[in-house]
Amino acid sequence: DQQVKQNSPSLSVQEGRISILNCDYTNSMFDYFLWYKKYPAEGPTFLISISSIKDKNEDGRFTVFLNKSAKHLSLHIVPSQPGDSAVYFCAASALGNQFYFGTGTSLTVIP
Amino acid sequence: GAVVSQHPSWVICKSGTSVKIECRSLDFQATTMFWYRQFPKQSLMLMATSNEGSKATYEQGVEKDKFLINHASLTLSTLTVTSAHPEDSSFYICSAKNGYTFGSGTRLTVV
Repeated sequence: DQQVKQNSPSLSVQEGRISILNCDYTNSMFDYFLWYKKYPAEGPTFLISISSIKDKNEDGRFTVFLNKSAKHLSLHIVPSQPGDSAVYFCAASALGNQFYFGTGTSLTVIP
Repeated sequence: GAVVSQHPSWVICKSGTSVKIECRSLDFQATTMFWYRQFPKQSLMLMATSNEGSKATYEQGVEKDKFLINHASLTLSTLTVTSAHPEDSSFYICSAKNGYTFGSGTRLTVV
């Protein structure tokens, strides 16, 4: 049972524009969410997190939005850069326990 | 920041042999380490949780006798794939419990 879903396997965006990656979850107990960036044959690199007490967290070009009622979070990257091209995973956990990962969205930023 | 060092990054082994994967926390004490497995185009799936000084906790469907986990010290957790078969070929990644820090992953190919 996939508790965290990323329904878009891929996304292409022009350099300088906004990239929006989406993530949905089913478990209402999830209280902590993370986004990771991953290159092939490497481990994930942490990007940004958000706890359920917030609905927005911003770090430089990266902003994560959380809509608890819709069980939806999104990652906004603006402006997008070619170096942002990678696979992005969202992950969620409840009460400090294990993280459940989405299947990833492959982002391509076109120069 | 916290760093987890994972070795080897790539290993090819013959069917029936065993492979050991190591994860070391370099600048912090990891009382708990998560071990994940990722098949191509799929999300990271938690295999087991290793706890320093006690037995690992395995997720449903993961054979504990096949995937031996040892967490003998606060800085080292190991995963041994015993009697490996081609279907064990996958990408294995460890993570500290905080969720922020991942090892670089191990690509296992069983031939």
